[in-house]
Amino acid sequence: SQTIHQWPATLVQPVGSPLSLECTVEGTSNPNLYWYRQAAGRGLQLLFYSVGIGQISSEVPQNLSASRPQDRQFILSSKKLLLSDSGFYLCAWSVQGTGYEQYFGPGTRLTVT
Amino acid sequence: QKEVEQNSGPLSVPEGAIASLNCTYSDRGSQSFFWYRQYSGKSPELIMFIYSNGDKEDGRFTAQLNKASQYVSLLIRDSQPSDSATYLCAVTLYSGAGSYQLTFGKGTKLSVIP
Repeated sequence: SQTIHQWPATLVQPVGSPLSLECTVEGTSNPNLYWYRQAAGRGLQLLFYSVGIGQISSEVPQNLSASRPQDRQFILSSKKLLLSDSGFYLCAWSVQGTGYEQYFGPGTRLTVT
Repeated sequence: QKEVEQNSGPLSVPEGAIASLNCTYSDRGSQSFFWYRQYSGKSPELIMFIYSNGDKEDGRFTAQLNKASQYVSLLIRDSQPSDSATYLCAVTLYSGAGSYQLTFGKGTKLSVIP
Protein backbone atom coordinates (compact mmCIF):
# COMPACT_ATOMS: atom_id res chain seq x y z
CA SER A 1 0.00 0.00 0.00
CA GLN A 2 1.02 3.57 -0.51
CA THR A 3 2.18 5.83 2.30
CA ILE A 4 3.00 9.51 2.28
CA HIS A 5 5.21 11.14 4.88
CA GLN A 6 5.80 14.76 5.74
CA TRP A 7 8.17 16.38 8.16
CA PRO A 8 8.46 18.18 10.34
CA ALA A 9 4.95 17.96 11.78
CA THR A 10 5.13 21.41 13.33
CA LEU A 11 7.51 24.30 12.87
CA VAL A 12 7.87 27.76 14.38
CA GLN A 13 10.16 30.06 12.44
CA PRO A 14 11.00 33.78 12.67
CA VAL A 15 10.28 36.14 9.80
CA GLY A 16 13.15 36.18 7.33
CA SER A 17 14.39 32.69 8.13
CA PRO A 18 14.66 29.93 5.50
CA LEU A 19 12.29 27.02 5.17
CA SER A 20 12.54 23.44 3.99
CA LEU A 21 9.64 21.01 4.17
CA GLU A 22 9.97 17.49 2.90
CA CYS A 23 7.48 14.99 1.54
CA THR A 24 8.14 11.39 0.52
CA VAL A 25 5.86 8.76 -0.93
CA GLU A 26 6.27 5.00 -0.58
CA GLY A 27 4.67 2.14 -2.44
CA THR A 28 4.22 3.76 -5.82
CA SER A 29 6.38 4.88 -8.72
CA ASN A 30 6.35 8.09 -10.73
CA PRO A 31 3.46 9.73 -8.89
CA ASN A 32 2.12 13.20 -9.47
CA LEU A 33 3.01 15.27 -6.41
CA TYR A 34 1.38 18.40 -5.06
CA TRP A 35 1.97 21.06 -2.41
CA TYR A 36 -1.04 22.83 -0.91
CA ARG A 37 -1.40 25.45 1.79
CA GLN A 38 -4.40 25.81 4.05
CA ALA A 39 -4.48 29.11 5.90
CA ALA A 40 -6.80 29.70 8.85
CA GLY A 41 -10.35 30.26 7.65
CA ARG A 42 -9.41 29.75 4.04
CA GLY A 43 -9.62 26.90 1.59
CA LEU A 44 -6.89 24.67 0.26
CA GLN A 45 -4.63 26.54 -2.14
CA LEU A 46 -2.53 24.64 -4.67
CA LEU A 47 1.03 25.94 -4.61
CA PHE A 48 3.02 23.57 -6.82
CA TYR A 49 2.62 20.32 -8.67
CA SER A 50 5.03 17.95 -10.33
CA VAL A 51 4.52 15.21 -12.90
CA GLY A 52 8.12 13.99 -12.78
CA ILE A 53 11.67 14.52 -11.51
CA GLY A 54 12.72 18.11 -12.03
CA GLN A 55 9.32 19.08 -13.47
CA ILE A 56 7.65 21.70 -11.30
CA SER A 57 4.67 23.89 -12.08
CA SER A 58 3.82 26.87 -9.93
CA GLU A 59 0.27 27.96 -9.37
CA VAL A 60 0.80 31.00 -7.18
CA PRO A 61 3.63 33.55 -7.48
CA GLN A 62 5.21 34.00 -4.05
CA ASN A 63 8.44 33.60 -2.14
CA LEU A 64 8.15 29.80 -2.07
CA SER A 65 9.78 27.29 -4.39
CA ALA A 66 9.57 23.55 -4.87
CA SER A 67 11.92 20.86 -6.06
CA ARG A 68 11.67 17.19 -6.88
CA PRO A 69 15.16 15.71 -6.66
CA GLN A 70 13.96 12.10 -6.66
CA ASP A 71 10.91 10.32 -8.02
CA ARG A 72 9.13 10.10 -4.69
CA GLN A 73 10.52 13.15 -2.93
CA PHE A 74 9.06 16.63 -3.03
CA ILE A 75 10.55 19.60 -1.19
CA LEU A 76 9.05 23.00 -0.44
CA SER A 77 11.48 25.82 0.30
CA SER A 78 11.76 29.48 1.01
CA LYS A 79 14.79 31.72 1.38
CA LYS A 80 13.02 34.25 3.60
CA LEU A 81 9.73 33.57 5.33
CA LEU A 82 6.97 36.14 5.61
CA LEU A 83 4.27 36.32 8.28
CA SER A 84 1.75 35.48 5.56
CA ASP A 85 3.49 32.13 4.99
CA SER A 86 1.97 30.74 8.19
CA GLY A 87 -0.42 27.88 7.57
CA PHE A 88 -0.93 24.17 7.24
CA TYR A 89 1.19 22.75 4.42
CA LEU A 90 -0.03 19.61 2.81
CA CYS A 91 1.66 17.31 0.35
CA ALA A 92 -0.47 15.04 -1.82
CA TRP A 93 0.12 12.38 -4.43
CA SER A 94 -1.89 10.83 -7.24
CA VAL A 95 -1.32 8.13 -9.80
CA GLN A 96 0.64 9.43 -12.76
CA GLY A 97 -1.46 10.38 -15.72
CA THR A 98 -4.75 10.44 -13.88
CA GLY A 99 -4.64 12.74 -10.88
CA TYR A 100 -8.19 11.76 -10.22
CA GLU A 101 -7.77 10.83 -6.59
CA GLN A 102 -5.29 12.78 -4.54
CA TYR A 103 -4.15 11.47 -1.20
CA PHE A 104 -2.77 13.78 1.43
CA GLY A 105 0.07 13.45 3.85
CA PRO A 106 -0.29 14.37 7.54
CA GLY A 107 0.79 17.96 6.95
CA THR A 108 3.19 20.46 8.48
CA ARG A 109 1.84 23.27 10.61
CA LEU A 110 4.05 26.33 10.11
CA THR A 111 3.89 29.39 12.31
CA VAL A 112 5.97 32.37 11.28
CA THR A 113 6.59 34.76 14.17
CA GLN B 1 -12.11 31.51 -12.66
CA LYS B 2 -12.90 28.06 -11.37
CA GLU B 3 -14.98 28.14 -8.20
CA VAL B 4 -16.36 25.56 -5.84
CA GLU B 5 -18.96 26.80 -3.40
CA GLN B 6 -20.06 25.22 -0.16
CA ASN B 7 -22.15 26.42 2.75
CA SER B 8 -19.65 26.95 5.55
CA GLY B 9 -22.11 25.80 8.22
CA PRO B 10 -21.99 24.72 10.90
CA LEU B 11 -24.54 22.12 9.99
CA SER B 12 -25.91 20.46 13.09
CA VAL B 13 -27.79 17.18 12.94
CA PRO B 14 -28.89 14.79 15.69
CA GLU B 15 -27.24 11.41 15.98
CA GLY B 16 -28.91 8.88 13.70
CA ALA B 17 -30.23 11.49 11.26
CA ILE B 18 -29.23 12.06 7.64
CA ALA B 19 -26.70 14.81 7.02
CA SER B 20 -26.88 16.47 3.61
CA LEU B 21 -23.89 18.43 2.35
CA ASN B 22 -24.03 20.41 -0.87
CA CYS B 23 -21.57 21.82 -3.34
CA THR B 24 -21.82 23.77 -6.59
CA TYR B 25 -19.08 24.36 -9.13
CA SER B 26 -18.65 26.91 -11.87
CA ASP B 27 -16.71 25.13 -14.62
CA ARG B 28 -18.80 22.91 -16.89
CA GLY B 29 -15.62 21.16 -18.02
CA SER B 30 -15.12 19.64 -14.58
CA GLN B 31 -14.62 15.92 -14.85
CA SER B 32 -14.31 14.34 -11.45
CA PHE B 33 -15.76 15.13 -8.06
CA PHE B 34 -14.53 14.32 -4.60
CA TRP B 35 -15.49 14.57 -0.98
CA TYR B 36 -12.83 14.82 1.69
CA ARG B 37 -13.33 14.69 5.42
CA GLN B 38 -11.04 16.81 7.59
CA TYR B 39 -10.96 16.49 11.34
CA SER B 40 -9.75 19.50 13.28
CA GLY B 41 -5.97 19.78 13.07
CA LYS B 42 -5.66 16.85 10.66
CA SER B 43 -5.15 16.50 6.92
CA PRO B 44 -8.02 15.83 4.49
CA GLU B 45 -9.04 12.22 3.97
CA LEU B 46 -10.68 11.12 0.73
CA ILE B 47 -14.03 9.46 1.50
CA MET B 48 -15.95 9.50 -1.80
CA PHE B 49 -15.46 10.21 -5.47
CA ILE B 50 -17.93 10.26 -8.32
CA TYR B 51 -17.35 10.66 -12.06
CA SER B 52 -20.79 10.10 -13.62
CA ASN B 53 -24.21 11.59 -13.15
CA GLY B 54 -26.33 9.83 -10.57
CA ASP B 55 -25.74 8.32 -7.18
CA LYS B 56 -22.83 6.38 -5.77
CA GLU B 57 -23.16 4.61 -2.45
CA ASP B 58 -20.44 3.41 -0.11
CA GLY B 59 -21.61 2.25 3.28
CA ARG B 60 -23.36 5.13 5.04
CA PHE B 61 -22.18 7.62 2.42
CA THR B 62 -23.92 8.49 -0.85
CA ALA B 63 -22.49 10.94 -3.37
CA GLN B 64 -24.87 12.50 -5.88
CA LEU B 65 -23.83 14.27 -9.06
CA ASN B 66 -25.87 16.41 -11.43
CA LYS B 67 -23.62 17.85 -14.12
CA ALA B 68 -26.43 19.75 -15.82
CA SER B 69 -27.04 21.68 -12.61
CA GLN B 70 -23.33 21.71 -11.70
CA TYR B 71 -24.20 20.30 -8.34
CA VAL B 72 -22.73 17.55 -6.20
CA SER B 73 -23.87 16.43 -2.77
CA LEU B 74 -22.91 14.04 -0.01
CA LEU B 75 -25.44 12.27 2.17
CA ILE B 76 -24.41 10.66 5.42
CA ARG B 77 -26.97 8.24 6.78
CA ASP B 78 -27.24 7.28 10.43
CA SER B 79 -24.92 10.15 11.38
CA GLN B 80 -22.56 9.46 14.27
CA PRO B 81 -20.68 11.89 16.53
CA SER B 82 -17.49 10.59 14.89
CA ASP B 83 -18.75 12.11 11.62
CA SER B 84 -18.31 15.58 13.12
CA ALA B 85 -15.71 17.20 10.89
CA THR B 86 -15.32 19.64 8.03
CA TYR B 87 -16.26 18.19 4.65
CA LEU B 88 -14.43 19.52 1.61
CA CYS B 89 -15.83 19.30 -1.89
CA ALA B 90 -13.24 19.15 -4.68
CA VAL B 91 -13.53 19.26 -8.44
CA THR B 92 -10.89 18.31 -10.98
CA LEU B 93 -9.99 19.63 -14.39
CA TYR B 94 -7.36 18.36 -16.79
CA SER B 95 -4.60 20.99 -16.88
CA GLY B 96 -2.34 19.47 -19.50
CA ALA B 97 1.05 17.73 -19.35
CA GLY B 98 -0.47 14.70 -17.66
CA SER B 99 -1.73 16.55 -14.63
CA TYR B 100 -5.11 17.30 -13.19
CA GLN B 101 -5.89 20.21 -10.91
CA LEU B 102 -8.13 19.93 -7.91
CA THR B 103 -10.09 22.98 -6.86
CA PHE B 104 -11.45 22.83 -3.33
CA GLY B 105 -14.38 24.46 -1.68
CA LYS B 106 -13.83 26.00 1.74
CA GLY B 107 -15.71 23.20 3.42
CA THR B 108 -18.85 22.65 5.46
CA LYS B 109 -18.46 22.02 9.16
CA LEU B 110 -20.73 19.21 10.33
CA SER B 111 -21.62 18.69 13.96
CA VAL B 112 -23.49 15.54 14.97
CA ILE B 113 -25.22 16.00 18.30
CA PRO B 114 -25.47 12.89 20.54
